[in-house]
Amino acid sequence: DVVLTQSPLSLPVTLGQAASISCRSNQSLVDSDGNTYLNWFQQRPGQSPRRLIYKVSNWESGVPDRFSGSGSGTDFTLKISRVEAADVGIYYCMQGTHWPRTFGQGTKVEIK
Amino acid sequence: VQVVQSGTEVKKPGSSVKISCKISGYIFTDYHMHWVRQAPGKGLEWMGRVDPEDDETSYAPKFQDRVIITADTSTDTSYMELTGLTSEDTAMYYCTTLRVAGAVDYWGHGTQVTVSS
Repeated sequence: DVVLTQSPLSLPVTLGQAASISCRSNQSLVDSDGNTYLNWFQQRPGQSPRRLIYKVSNWESGVPDRFSGSGSGTDFTLKISRVEAADVGIYYCMQGTHWPRTFGQGTKVEIK
Repeated sequence: VQVVQSGTEVKKPGSSVKISCKISGYIFTDYHMHWVRQAPGKGLEWMGRVDPEDDETSYAPKFQDRVIITADTSTDTSYMELTGLTSEDTAMYYCTTLRVAGAVDYWGHGTQVTVSS
């Protein structure tokens, strides 16, 4: 199975400051069709997960552009440009290139 | 779009559970339906998926021997049955389209399953 390793696992951030989460894969996530299927999800406390980003850098409908995804191959990053109180929660990366689908361990974002 | 899951379940060790997930607002056969679970205080774990168009399934190796995921196109409902329950199966279970491309993705609200003697 593909292993996704996120860092950090805990991320205290000051309101209005930027935050960055890394997701590294033990295998390339480039599919045979040339696409890279790496998603990012946000899970607010007590809620279902919500997809933020798909195919590395594409926004889910309705997601603010404060969130951005980047990366290639095995190394990916989610950035929040100006953290707001509503951004508190756990963020997961997930790969959709290989079966079975796998998730990173999650990164908990909290306000300092 | 609505994704409505069945309610809380409390089960005995060794028993089985079957959870439903009914969608509305999109064409059921357009997207696969995946099942993901989350143990208390833990991360997300993919269990498997079904293609409602042709009933093709694939499962995570960990669950291969004891999970069955189905889709009923007459009611736009997916089901996930898990057998041989242990306390390790206590978790929130989500159905989701878990799309890897395309601008929208849908998740149910989750079904809590507690396994206790």
